[in-house]
Amino acid sequence: EAGVAQSPRYKIIEKRQSVAFWCNPISGHATLYWYQQILGQGPKLLIQFQNNGVVDDSQLPKDRFSAERLKGVDSTLKIQPAKLEDSAVYLCASSRGQQETQYFGPGTRLLVL
Amino acid sequence: DQQVKQNSPSLSVQEGRISILNCDYTNSMFDYFLWYKKYPAEGPTFLISISSIKDKNEDGRFTVFLNKSAKHLSLHIVPSQPGDSAVYFCAAHYGGSQGNLIFGKGTKLSVKP
Repeated sequence: EAGVAQSPRYKIIEKRQSVAFWCNPISGHATLYWYQQILGQGPKLLIQFQNNGVVDDSQLPKDRFSAERLKGVDSTLKIQPAKLEDSAVYLCASSRGQQETQYFGPGTRLLVL
Repeated sequence: DQQVKQNSPSLSVQEGRISILNCDYTNSMFDYFLWYKKYPAEGPTFLISISSIKDKNEDGRFTVFLNKSAKHLSLHIVPSQPGDSAVYFCAAHYGGSQGNLIFGKGTKLSVKP
């Protein structure tokens, strides 16, 4: 079974630019999560989808971050405009359902200069 | 306000000995706890979990102990192997949370041959 796929693996941008990350979850997984992991911290949930609907986006900075999962499979996370403090690893995870084991992708490492 | 705390940033153990990683939590509503292992440049990998109705769960060399009265859990690895060298994250969620995880900051385990 293929794992969670993410791209790109690395991205370097200047502040105020925009960037997008892509995630393909494990086949059949209805729940998809985006986490932000700042250096030295644990992952922090940004947004959770159940199929193509948003379950929890309470910690998503909605003035600059957006995410979608249009067909209930792949998802994209966008930052526009980026700030220096957005430098982090962005992790995508998926699970069969809510409160089931989450499986993580390798992450996208973002550096904002 | 950190709801899940891993107070030891690092731990060094000799191969063959026991590794004990500790985790404290503050939210008494947490009902499920997980340990994830993370290698550099990879996403976290699920290791073992425990429900709040249990006080111990064992899987091969890995055992997790839960002390609800102390709001403390620990991961024991016996015997430790060099391949166990990684960052270990403690995570928790509570019923009604749709399953999103609250992570600690992680403990870096080094197992020396």
